[in-house]
Amino acid sequence: QKEVEQNSGPLSVPEGAIASLNCTYSDRVSQSFFWYRQYSGKSPELIMSIYSNGDKEDGRFTAQLNKASQYVSLLIRDSQPSDSATYLCAPLIGDDKIIFGKGTRLHILP
Amino acid sequence: SQTIHQWPATLVQPVGSPLSLECTVEGTSNPNLYWYRQAAGRGLQLLFYSVGIGQISSEVPQNLSASRPQDRQFILSSKKLLLSDSGFYLCAWSAGLSYEQYFGPGTRLTVT
Repeated sequence: QKEVEQNSGPLSVPEGAIASLNCTYSDRVSQSFFWYRQYSGKSPELIMSIYSNGDKEDGRFTAQLNKASQYVSLLIRDSQPSDSATYLCAPLIGDDKIIFGKGTRLHILP
Repeated sequence: SQTIHQWPATLVQPVGSPLSLECTVEGTSNPNLYWYRQAAGRGLQLLFYSVGIGQISSEVPQNLSASRPQDRQFILSSKKLLLSDSGFYLCAWSAGLSYEQYFGPGTRLTVT
């Protein structure tokens, strides 16, 4: 089983709607997760970190971690065209390394 | 605030030529430093990481090497480039126990 799995997309969401991005992981990885946003041709940008079970909200973004189901998600409320990007799920491995999923391409439809 | 620099931004090199990519971090001390490669249509691959001067861990055996001559400087090198070395090279840093990694702007390398 691959350690981090994401649907490659593209996921198309109308402007103003909620975009839901999902990630599943093997039980070997840590219980700390990061979400990165990567615009085409640019480097990844950290947008959310979640270290414990439950929800964490930051502005329009909410990260959800369900350890029992080995599932982490990112919700983007009031989606904007500027949210169109690839979103990378990244769990922490060991004490100092992150592994990255291949990402989900999100397209916000104006 | 912290800033991470990478150069050059783009590079076109022939097969068999040497490579040197540089990364520097400002505004922090003793950062953990990382080199990643992102090949076209593929995910981020960790190549090397360093927790201190002269301390390098290699994740993928290949024709690349890394060095950390100063606290906030990280260099990626190759003696002879292969076509398969083409990709987007990213340097990242993290501080202390936060584990959050922050990326530089990257170097896009094309080996011809």
